[in-house]
Amino acid sequence: ETGVTQSPTHLIKTRGQQVTLRCSSQSGHNTVSWYQQALGQGPQFIFQYYREEENGRGNFPPRFSGLQFPNYSSELNVNALELDDSALYLCASSFARGSYEQYFGPGTRLTVT
Amino acid sequence: KQEVTQIPAALSVPEGENLVLNCSFTDSAIYNLQWFRQDPGKGLTSLLLIQSSQREQTSGRLNASLDKSSGRSTLYIAASQPGDSATYLCAVRPVEGGQFYFGTGTSLTVIP
Repeated sequence: ETGVTQSPTHLIKTRGQQVTLRCSSQSGHNTVSWYQQALGQGPQFIFQYYREEENGRGNFPPRFSGLQFPNYSSELNVNALELDDSALYLCASSFARGSYEQYFGPGTRLTVT
Repeated sequence: KQEVTQIPAALSVPEGENLVLNCSFTDSAIYNLQWFRQDPGKGLTSLLLIQSSQREQTSGRLNASLDKSSGRSTLYIAASQPGDSATYLCAVRPVEGGQFYFGTGTSLTVIP
């Protein structure tokens, strides 16, 4: 059984650019959630995908968007990057039944200059 | 909106000591609560998950309790070791909605 994987590990972008982050969910999981974690803070919920549809969204602007694919992997896209978007982006997968226990990937560190 | 608070923000203890980390939440309508460990710059590792109908869960030297009515959970770590040094986060999942609400964590340092 493979765990949650994310790519890339680190990324440096310039303000105004666009970025795509990727996540492969744990085997057997059909739900993917994305979180943003600023330095010294707890993770903040961005959105969740279940069966390729957005299934809840946190307080993030529309320039944060996502996709989930038939194999339950997912992408997070951020347009018009701002300096405050610099953070650790975490992906979590779970099974939409029972305990809903979340399993997190190692994260992608995004730096916007 | 659910708010999660963790106290203390930082804790430093000598090796071998037993310790308690606290988590409080404002809305008792939760589905479950999950404790995580995070090493610097890394992802989150799940430690324990407590369903709303449960009072506690144990795994090795870790014991987590839940008092839903008072909005509190504690994580008890027995016989602490330097390898336990990390940030510990609690997260609650409400009955309605799929997201988890996180606290800001307790940074634990175990001194050899």
